[in-house]
Amino acid sequence: AQKVTQAQTEISVVEKEDVTLDCVYETRDTTYYLFWYKQPPSGELVFLIRRNSFDEQNEISGRYSWNFQKSTSSFNFTITASQVVDSAVYFCALSGGNSGYSTLTFGKGTMLLVSP
Amino acid sequence: DVKVTQSSRYLVKRTGEKVFLECVQDMDHENMFWYRQDPGLGLRLIYFSYDVKMKEKGDIPEGYSVSREKKERFSLILESASTNQTSMYLCASSLTGLYSNQPQHFGDGTRLSIL
Repeated sequence: AQKVTQAQTEISVVEKEDVTLDCVYETRDTTYYLFWYKQPPSGELVFLIRRNSFDEQNEISGRYSWNFQKSTSSFNFTITASQVVDSAVYFCALSGGNSGYSTLTFGKGTMLLVSP
Repeated sequence: DVKVTQSSRYLVKRTGEKVFLECVQDMDHENMFWYRQDPGLGLRLIYFSYDVKMKEKGDIPEGYSVSREKKERFSLILESASTNQTSMYLCASSLTGLYSNQPQHFGDGTRLSIL
């Protein structure tokens, strides 16, 4: 069975601090995909990034960066110079490639609170 | 941009009622999903559909059914609502792509209260 663990339930930082959200996953699939979603207070989940299991290159998009390490089964998300608008719940998710269906297993989420 | 629209943002129903939650997507996506989100439990998959009239059980299908008569519409049905079904319900859709796992796009959610 697949599993995603986000050990940090809640993180509070002050604006301009860097923050890293941890994600550890378990799967028996040889091909799989990892995702990060953001859920602001309005409620809608917003897709941030998808990464497949064969691509371990780190990715940077503006203030966001992702570190995928297959050896430790981790897919961590870093926000540099955090802003109040980054306050949200962040979900890491795993999709199995071998099953043929595009279902996602979500972690329980990390609530990030950025204060001015 | 993909648009996934859920019919109600807030809904209040009574125990024992039959409840319909509607979801429509405008991007011709093959896959559609229903989740519920509860504090401390994250998102849990109730049902999904990969084609018209096709449905598959997710992790927590008990007490729910679904209907997909048209490609763009996926309905979640609570046959006899109970208080433990009070939750936030999220609908999502994605392109098909066997083994390619396209991102899911979500609606705004329906906060359902069963009294």
